[in-house]
Amino acid sequence: LAKTTQPISMDSYEGQEVNITCSHNNIATNDYITWYQQFPSQGPRFIIQGYKTKVTNEVASLFIPADRKSSTLSLPRVSLSDTAVYYCLVGDGTGGNKLVFGAGTILRVKS
Amino acid sequence: NAGVTQTPKFRVLKTGQSMTLLCAQDMNHEYMYWYRQDPGMGLRLIHYSVGEGTTAKGEVPDGYNVSRLKKQNFLLGLESAAPSQTSVYFCASRETGNRQYFGPGTRLTVL
Repeated sequence: LAKTTQPISMDSYEGQEVNITCSHNNIATNDYITWYQQFPSQGPRFIIQGYKTKVTNEVASLFIPADRKSSTLSLPRVSLSDTAVYYCLVGDGTGGNKLVFGAGTILRVKS
Repeated sequence: NAGVTQTPKFRVLKTGQSMTLLCAQDMNHEYMYWYRQDPGMGLRLIHYSVGEGTTAKGEVPDGYNVSRLKKQNFLLGLESAAPSQTSVYFCASRETGNRQYFGPGTRLTVL
């Protein structure tokens, strides 16, 4: 399996930019990298997805270096409502469909 | 368009009882997944399906069975519930790429 490694937790303050890095050394050639956000008592919610270089949408940016062995989720100007668990997800290393989540990163945003 | 729905939302079982959790999606997705999430932990993949009539084992399949008789439904069965199966169960469906859509979850307590 393409195991992912993320920091267990991060703290930030409102208005700051937050960068969460995920390591995925065994990512397969055709795997996408996907990030999810999860609030307590809810299912994960899709944030952003990418394959290489940089992807940006209305809520986040995703930076992927050329070797694709890591990725960084960037949240601009976080607010208290961004306090959540963030997961990065890649395929199972074979280009298949066995999507396994890592432990996730608990982001705490303080005022 | 309801997305992914799960039935029931809550359930309490006694050890040894059986039950079936239903997941339904109206997005015509081929891929569907069952995860469990224990308190304070990440999601663990139980079983998944790549299409109608197919199922495959995930990380923690023991004690569970699944069926995908119709494309829109993915059933998770517990034949003989155990306290270790107390958890929140999330179902997800997927389009191309890794983007998954999650249901609201089923909270199961086994006494």
